[in-house]
Amino acid sequence: KNEVEQSPQNLTAQEGEFITINCSYSVGISALHWLQQHPGGGIVSLFMLSSGKKKHGRLIATINIQEKHSSLHITASHPRDSAVYICAVFPGTYKYIFGTGTRLKVLA
Amino acid sequence: KAGVTQTPRYLIKTRGQQVTLSCSPISGHRSVSWYQQTPGQGLQFLFEYFSETQRNKGNFPGRFSGRQFSNSRSEMNVSTLELGDSALYLCASSSTPRTGGGTDTQYFGPGTRLTVL
Repeated sequence: KNEVEQSPQNLTAQEGEFITINCSYSVGISALHWLQQHPGGGIVSLFMLSSGKKKHGRLIATINIQEKHSSLHITASHPRDSAVYICAVFPGTYKYIFGTGTRLKVLA
Repeated sequence: KAGVTQTPRYLIKTRGQQVTLSCSPISGHRSVSWYQQTPGQGLQFLFEYFSETQRNKGNFPGRFSGRQFSNSRSEMNVSTLELGDSALYLCASSSTPRTGGGTDTQYFGPGTRLTVL
C-alpha cells in the first residue's frame, strides 16, 4: 500500500462544477504540499499546509492531521484548471513522498 | 524575479553514456531539490542540496549524483545511462531546506526531458 493515496485517479467535470480531490497518508507528517502539473510538464506549487485551511482564489485546501487526510477543492471550475494535481507529504525526516496524482479534465 | 531555470530542456543520449543537468534556482534561494518523474513511478525525490551540502538522497543508485555551487546553482549527473533513466528531471528551489520539515513554498523549474536510446 502506498504511503500517500489520492482519489480519484481521474476526474472529468463540467465547467462551473465544484471539484474535490482527496489525499490520505499513513505516516506522521510535518507538512503537506499540493502541486499542479500542466500537460507541458511544468509544476506549480499551490499550497503548503501543516494545519487548518488555506484559500487562494478559487482553490481551497484543508488538512486534518488527526485523520491523516487533506482535500483540495476547486470552486467554479474552468477548463484551464485541467491538469494533474499531486499531493506530497513531509514525514518530518529526510523524505518527501508523492501521491500518484489526480488527472482532472474540465469540459467547457 | 526570474524563476527556476533548467538546462538543457531536452536531451537524447544512448545507453552507457553519462549526462549532466543544470539547475539555477531563484535568486536568494539556497535549497535545490531534484526529482525524477516517469509514467510508471510518478514523481520521486532524488536529492536536496542546501548551502553546497547534500542534505538527503532518495532511493536511487549511486549512478545518480549531484552537487551545488557557492552561487546555489546545482548540477545533477547520471553515469552509465540505462533505458529506465528516461524521464522528466525536475529541480525546485526554496529559501529553506525542504527535507527536515521546512514549509517554505518550493518553486519548480520546467524540467529536463531525458531520453535514453
